[in-house]
Amino acid sequence: QKEVEQNSGPLSVPEGAIASLNCTYSDRGSQSFFWYRQYSGKSPELIMFIYSNGDKEDGRFTAQLNKASQYVSLLIRDSQPSDSATYLCAGSGGSYIPTFGRGTSLIVHP
Amino acid sequence: KAGVTQTPRYLIKTRGQQVTLSCSPISGHRSVSWYQQTPGQGLQFLFEYFSETQRNKGNFPGRFSGRQFSNSRSEMNVSTLELGDSALYLCASSPTALYYETPSNGYTFGSGTRLTVV
Repeated sequence: QKEVEQNSGPLSVPEGAIASLNCTYSDRGSQSFFWYRQYSGKSPELIMFIYSNGDKEDGRFTAQLNKASQYVSLLIRDSQPSDSATYLCAGSGGSYIPTFGRGTSLIVHP
Repeated sequence: KAGVTQTPRYLIKTRGQQVTLSCSPISGHRSVSWYQQTPGQGLQFLFEYFSETQRNKGNFPGRFSGRQFSNSRSEMNVSTLELGDSALYLCASSPTALYYETPSNGYTFGSGTRLTVV
């Protein structure tokens, strides 16, 4: 069974801090990874896409991929209360169908 | 550019009934995928349609079915509803079929249909 695992949290960080969200996956065939943000009562929204080992930066967000260790992470710098949401990690492999983790709840407190 | 439109937003149904949910993808997107989201299981893949054909199917019973029309709009049907079918049903559109590649822009999700079975 192909699985994507995330700590459900909540992860609580103070405003301005770096939030670090982690995800591990079991399917070694997974090639592409996504991070989605989902506010309460809303639909998931794509934040980052990564398929190469290493770091990918976009504004305050940095996605990190380590295929040898089978983990993906998302760093949010200068966290804001508006970043408070559930973050979903997804990976896709040979079937190209993204498999989602259950999400990590992030709370950024002022 | 209009996003992914799902109707209705909320539904309350009784056990044993059937329900049909609708999804209109982003203009030009031909792939529509359906997901069930529950607090316990997270996002679970139901199926994907591309060019009016089901291309992929998740691990759900046959009570869950779908179809896609020539204009790429898709419907999902659940027959003989059970209490456990209560969930948020999300539709996601993509410009390419998932069996070709995972699009770098990922899915664009609709706002979902909240189904409650009583």
